[in-house]
Amino acid sequence: NAGVTQTPKFQVLKTGQSMTLQCAQDMNHNSMYWYRQDPGMGLRLIYYSASEGTTDKGEVPNGYNVSRLNKREFSLRLESAAPSQTSVYFCASSEDTGEAFFGQGTRLTVV
Amino acid sequence: GENVEQHPSTLSVQEGDSAVIKCTYSDSASNYFPWYKQELGKRPQLIIDIRSNVGEKKDQRIAVTLNKTAKHFSLHITETQPEDSAVYFCAASESGTYKYIFGTGTRLKVLA
Repeated sequence: NAGVTQTPKFQVLKTGQSMTLQCAQDMNHNSMYWYRQDPGMGLRLIYYSASEGTTDKGEVPNGYNVSRLNKREFSLRLESAAPSQTSVYFCASSEDTGEAFFGQGTRLTVV
Repeated sequence: GENVEQHPSTLSVQEGDSAVIKCTYSDSASNYFPWYKQELGKRPQLIIDIRSNVGEKKDQRIAVTLNKTAKHFSLHITETQPEDSAVYFCAASESGTYKYIFGTGTRLKVLA
């Protein structure tokens, strides 16, 4: 079992560029999440998906879009990257009301 | 929505001493409270969790307590060791959903 796999691991974007962060899990979990982690700010929820075809905004959704393509995959898209979106992004999945398993993270720098 | 506050932001203890990290939450209907440990450059990993129908849970040197009336929960680490040095996050599930809202983290340093 690979668990939760994110791609890419590192990315540098120029302001205004777009990109999609990919996430896939092989644990047959219903719930999937995207968090961003900034120094001193903890893990802040960007978007949440309770099941295939459903998504819900989290604490900091502005500037992001998501797509729950199927039960395994949950992608995060930045349409027009800004320096404020420089962060480490974590995807996670969980059984309903249970342990969340995190991917290895994507370190994104917007210049 | 749910709001989770965590204190302290940094904590230094001598090896062998105990460490306590405290969190408060705002949503009285929250029913699941996990704690995660994140080592430098790595992903967060669950170390212990507690559900709202339980007041205390223990796993070797780690324990968590929950006070639903006061809406706070705490992580207790006894006999701390250098390998306990990491950032610890508390979280709470937002009522009616499986959204996990995290606290801002506590950087624990265990001094040898």
